[in-house]
Amino acid sequence: GQNIDQPTEMTATEGAIVQINCTYQTSGFNGLFWYQQHAGEAPTFLSYNVLDGLEEKGRFSSFLSRSKGYSYLLLKELQMKDSASYLCAVMDSNYQLIWGAGTKLIIKP
Amino acid sequence: EADIYQTPRYLVIGTGKKITLECSQTMGHDKMYWYQQDPGMELHLIHYSYGVNSTEKGDLSSESTVSRIRTEHFPLTLESARPSHTSQYLCASSEDRDTGELFFGEGSRLTVL
Repeated sequence: GQNIDQPTEMTATEGAIVQINCTYQTSGFNGLFWYQQHAGEAPTFLSYNVLDGLEEKGRFSSFLSRSKGYSYLLLKELQMKDSASYLCAVMDSNYQLIWGAGTKLIIKP
Repeated sequence: EADIYQTPRYLVIGTGKKITLECSQTMGHDKMYWYQQDPGMELHLIHYSYGVNSTEKGDLSSESTVSRIRTEHFPLTLESARPSHTSQYLCASSEDRDTGELFFGEGSRLTVL
């Protein structure tokens, strides 16, 4: 079967750095995505990786290793507004997105 | 800013009722999707469409139907609602299937009594 694994919940301090990991096993691979979802709201797109390596976008970076079936989302200079769930999703060989259950990130002052 | 709209935002109905959740987008996207999401759980694809008159079932059998008569409109219909249909329903669209960036509506939260 296909599955995406990510931690259920993480806690970090305002101003710090946090890394959210995602491992996947899917039928084929056509890219990995990170979305942010605030409580009660819809997900919003953060990043897309299809090649190995690090993609940086402001305070957020996303890393991919296809050989290891592994990705992480790195958030720097954490702000209270970063408190949200972070969803990892992989596009399989049929171009369907397989979603993880999300990591709830709690930011403390 | 994404222009994709869902109505109603919240709905409470009795068992056996027929309901339609509306979704419209003004971005001209060919690809549209319906997802179901329970709190703290992953998104499950219910239906999707790659263009007018094209609809496909996703991995979750929710006893619902969709139609795509116009590019901008992708309604979801439950013929006979049951308590197990209580959930959050998210509509999304994308310009490019291959890159997968989805734009989501704000969701319709359905409660079936």
